[in-house]
Amino acid sequence: DAGVIQSPRHEVTEMGQEVTLRCKPISGHDYLFWYRQTMMRGLELLIYFNNNVPIDDSGMPEDRFSAKMPNASFSTLKIQPSEPRDSAVYFCATRVRGEQYFGPGTRLTVT
Amino acid sequence: DQQVKQNSPSLSVQEGRISILNCDYTNSMFDYFLWYKKYPAEGPTFLISISSIKDKNEDGRFTVFLNKSAKHLSLHIVPSQPGDSAVYFCAASPSGTYKYIFGTGTRLKVLA
Repeated sequence: DAGVIQSPRHEVTEMGQEVTLRCKPISGHDYLFWYRQTMMRGLELLIYFNNNVPIDDSGMPEDRFSAKMPNASFSTLKIQPSEPRDSAVYFCATRVRGEQYFGPGTRLTVT
Repeated sequence: DQQVKQNSPSLSVQEGRISILNCDYTNSMFDYFLWYKKYPAEGPTFLISISSIKDKNEDGRFTVFLNKSAKHLSLHIVPSQPGDSAVYFCAASPSGTYKYIFGTGTRLKVLA
């Protein structure tokens, strides 16, 4: 298995633009998590899904952030409009039993 | 408010010595604790975990200790190797959920 796949690996965009981050979970994993990593706050859980249904979105910082999981093979995290303070590394992780498996992350820079 | 705290942002240890990484938590509803290891440009990878019914769990060179009364856990690496140099994240999971609350990480550097 290729593991959790995230795209793009790097994204540079200007303030105000829409950004879409993508995640392909490990096949068969029924939980999917989106995290954001910053120096100040470490790894923050933004939202997680079970069987494609959002379970807890209490970590989503504001309405500019949205996440979807239209099917078991794909999830997106969208920021619209983006701001410089959104610059961070965004990770997707999945699990079926046991621990969470993380993707390689997307490094987002908003200028 | 940080529910999981790693107060040491960095730690340097000589190869062969013991590395001790510490983590404190505030929420008494946490019942499962984990350590993840992260290399640059990669996602975190699971290292070791412990349930709240235990106070120690060992896996090779890695041992996690849990002190529930102090709301403190620690990761011991013995002996430390240069390949252990990475950022280590402590995480805790509230009872009845699969969500993990992570700390801010400790960067370990093992000197050859």
